[in-house]
Amino acid sequence: GAVVSQHPSRVICKSGTSVKIECRSLDFQATTMFWYRQFPKQSLMLMATSNEGSKATYEQGVEKDKFLINHASLTLSTLTVTSAHPEDSSFYICSARTSGGRADTQYFGPGTRLTVL
Amino acid sequence: GQQLNQNPQSMFIQEGEDVSMNCTSSSIFNTWLWYKQDPGEGPVLLIALYKAGELTSNGRLTAQFGITRKDSFLNISASIPSDVGIYFCAGQGMNYGGSQGNLIFGKGTKLSVKP
Repeated sequence: GAVVSQHPSRVICKSGTSVKIECRSLDFQATTMFWYRQFPKQSLMLMATSNEGSKATYEQGVEKDKFLINHASLTLSTLTVTSAHPEDSSFYICSARTSGGRADTQYFGPGTRLTVL
Repeated sequence: GQQLNQNPQSMFIQEGEDVSMNCTSSSIFNTWLWYKQDPGEGPVLLIALYKAGELTSNGRLTAQFGITRKDSFLNISASIPSDVGIYFCAGQGMNYGGSQGNLIFGKGTKLSVKP
């Protein structure tokens, strides 16, 4: 299957700082990218969906000013956690899909473990 | 947000045993998918189902799309140690405009090895 990468894989930051996570589709053009958050022993919860060149659509309860998403190209989306707090500590996973692609063409990245001290 | 009911939440296996897990929903889905997630990794797709009643195999894994479109099961035959991990079902419906809906994930089934 296609490959989606995330960077960094792990980040520790101080409370109040901002953290940027990159998601790249390595061998296909991802017109749609998704950002999920997963707390320990829980399922994946969708945070937002972004289409290349347009604003992200956030799920209910997700603050768009806190979780800034930029999908600037067909192979790159970034999630910036602004003014991070300890409760933002979580496993963040992106996934990418081509336009009109079937569900089995939505590929997931390896995740980024964020720890806010 | 909306979630699927996935059972069991956890189970212990001995090598060679068959394993079965299922997901149910109050909503109809057009697509059912099954993923495996290892610790510290993203989910990896195992099987995708697109038609009600569809039965699909991938090696020792078999999954079925329920005829009511509200449920699916995953079976693993002759389990081996590397089957350990968390298995998630996911359903995808259709939006009102006809576009694909987002994936809705179950809470996961954790497979562990019997001590």
